[in-house]
Amino acid sequence: DVKVTQSSRYLVKRTGEKVFLECVQDMDHENMFWYRQDPGLGLRLIYFSYDVKMKEKGDIPEGYSVSREKKERFSLILESASTNQTSMYLCASSLADSRHTEAFFGQGTRLTVV
Amino acid sequence: AQKITQTQPGMFVQEKEAVTLDCTYDTSDPSYGLFWYKQPSSGEMIFLIYQGSYDQQNATEGRYSLNFQKARKSANLVISASQLGDSAMYFCAMRELRYGNNRLAFGKGNQVVVIP
Repeated sequence: DVKVTQSSRYLVKRTGEKVFLECVQDMDHENMFWYRQDPGLGLRLIYFSYDVKMKEKGDIPEGYSVSREKKERFSLILESASTNQTSMYLCASSLADSRHTEAFFGQGTRLTVV
Repeated sequence: AQKITQTQPGMFVQEKEAVTLDCTYDTSDPSYGLFWYKQPSSGEMIFLIYQGSYDQQNATEGRYSLNFQKARKSANLVISASQLGDSAMYFCAMRELRYGNNRLAFGKGNQVVVIP
């Protein structure tokens, strides 16, 4: 059974903290994505990676960075958490170089910054 | 810039009726893929159906079908014979392959509530 696993389901962090959200996939996918989901705004792409150590900015990268040291793991980093980063974060992965393959999603991390 | 547009407000649908969810997209890439996902209240994202830009026929998967109108850049999802379990958010997404870019962009979603 294919799997994308996010390290935490719920997180509460303080303003100014450095926050790491971890995502691991076991499907040997080249592509990995980080989205945030907010009511009325849908899923907005923060960053994605198409290979180890390769990354591209999505639509809302400000305040975030990412790391992909191994193919199966894609980390989202909030350098200095702020209350406007309170959101649901979704990680996804997919095969590369094909229009056809769908993305598989993790269960999401609900982050609250206080 | 927003590339996927889903503008319908929340919809109430009678059980066993069909419902159509609108999705329009914007791209200059001739090669792209369109996806629909379902997100029930549990939060998981469930892939429903895929349509490729070069596919000659509209995609179908069980009770889901895609009304693909390439010239109008629309990819509407049709759910036939609605069931209570169809109550969820539905997201349209697009993957463009220009420059080898595998970015996957989503719309804002459509809320569907199926009533008995």
